[in-house]
Amino acid sequence: GQQVMQIPQYQHVQEGEDFTTYCNSSTTLSNIQWYKQRPGGHPVFLIQLVKSGEVKKQKRLTFQFGEAKKNSSLHITATQTTDVGTYFCAGFMDTGRRALTFGSGTRLQVQP
Amino acid sequence: DTGVSQDPRHKITKRGQNVTFRCDPISEHNRLYWYRQTLGQGPEFLTYFQNEAQLEKSRLLSDRFSAERPKGSFSTLEIQRTEQGDSAMYLCASSTSGANVLTFGAGSRLTVL
Repeated sequence: GQQVMQIPQYQHVQEGEDFTTYCNSSTTLSNIQWYKQRPGGHPVFLIQLVKSGEVKKQKRLTFQFGEAKKNSSLHITATQTTDVGTYFCAGFMDTGRRALTFGSGTRLQVQP
Repeated sequence: DTGVSQDPRHKITKRGQNVTFRCDPISEHNRLYWYRQTLGQGPEFLTYFQNEAQLEKSRLLSDRFSAERPKGSFSTLEIQRTEQGDSAMYLCASSTSGANVLTFGAGSRLTVL
């Protein structure tokens, strides 16, 4: 079936280190979104990428959408304790399905 | 508008009982989604409404699950004859048809004993 996978599943970093999570889809995505879920919370929208090869930045966060629109990445520069949480990518499969398919998530733990 | 509201926040029930969850979306959002999330996993799509029409259902949604959105505003998700495998967080989200960005509620956590 159609799947969206993320690696790594979990990462523990020291505060100030960089962090990257990768998202791969089994099929082409019409666009991709990223959400953050704090421990005990619900997913909160971060950003949406639509164009092939698109790069967007939000302060210390950099998001990329692959040229083939089947993969994406989120890079955090100089992590802070406020970055703790699980990061999910989510995409609209290029099959006309109208609901987002979420990835498995990457849980980030930041050691102060 | 205070965002997407879900009720109850927690529900503990015995196997075989029926449970119902309610979701009140953001008032100007015409799309409403139900997702299920288990520990350590991403949200899994269950079903989706545009206004009062249920436009898509996941194959995960067995015959024991039914969802309604009778007037295109709030929605209910009912699970009949609950099983232990139904234990999960049930998340509701809403969006406008233009933006496709989901605003999630805090979720309803179901524990089936």
